Amino acid sequence: GAVVSQHPSWVICKSGTSVKIECRSLDFQATTMFWYRQFPKQSLMLMATSNEGSKATYEQGVEKDKFLINHASLTLSTLTVTSAHPEDSSFYICSASQALAKNIQYFGAGTRLSVL
Amino acid sequence: GESVGLHLPTLSVQEGDNSIINCAYSNSASDYFIWYKQESGKGPQFIIDIRSNMDKRQGQRVTVLLNKTVKHLSLQIAATQPGDSAVYFCAETLSGYSTLTFGKGTMLLVSP
Repeated sequence: GAVVSQHPSWVICKSGTSVKIECRSLDFQATTMFWYRQFPKQSLMLMATSNEGSKATYEQGVEKDKFLINHASLTLSTLTVTSAHPEDSSFYICSASQALAKNIQYFGAGTRLSVL
Repeated sequence: GESVGLHLPTLSVQEGDNSIINCAYSNSASDYFIWYKQESGKGPQFIIDIRSNMDKRQGQRVTVLLNKTVKHLSLQIAATQPGDSAVYFCAETLSGYSTLTFGKGTMLLVSP
C-alpha cells in the first residue's frame, strides 16, 4: 500500500515553455503533498507544501509564480514549471502523507526535467 | 526546511560486511526520525523509523540507533548486499508535524 505515482519520469522541453508534473496517491488519501527539488549528489530541498483545497506554502527563495502548485483533490497534486529555463533543469520529487500519519511521507519516483 | 550538502560522503564496503551510516540531526526538539534509501534516478524509499522515546529499533537486516544527547542517528545494515548500494538519508521531524528535514545523505557502495 501507500503508493505514490509521479508522471512523467523524464521530460525535455524548450526554454520558455511550461511543464506540468503530476503526483498521485494511488491507494490512500493524501491530505498533504510535498514537492522537492534535488541537485546531483545533494539532499532533497523542500520547495513547497500543499494541503488539499488550500494554497501551497512555499519555502523561502522558491518563486511561487515560477513553480505553480495545485492540490485540487485528495489524490492529485501538480507542479507546473512556468517559462522554464535551463537553470530549472533538475530532479523534482513529490511525496504525500495521510492525516492520521502526518510524519510518514511516501515518495514518488521523481521527474527528471531537462530544459534546452 | 531543507538540508543541502555540496559533498556526498561515501562509504565503500565489501559484500557481506556490516555497514554503519551516521547522521547528525539539527533540532534537539525533533522526536521522530526516519531513514530513507534512494537509488539512482528514483525517489526515496522508507527503510525504518524511530521515535525519541527509544534508542534502538531493529528491522530486517537494519538497525537504527538514536543518541539524543549528541543528536546522532545511525543506520546499521547487516550482511550488506550489492542491492543495498544507494544514497541513504536520515530525516527528522516533530510528531504531528508533517515537514521533514533531510540530512545530507551518504552514498553506500557495495562491491561483490
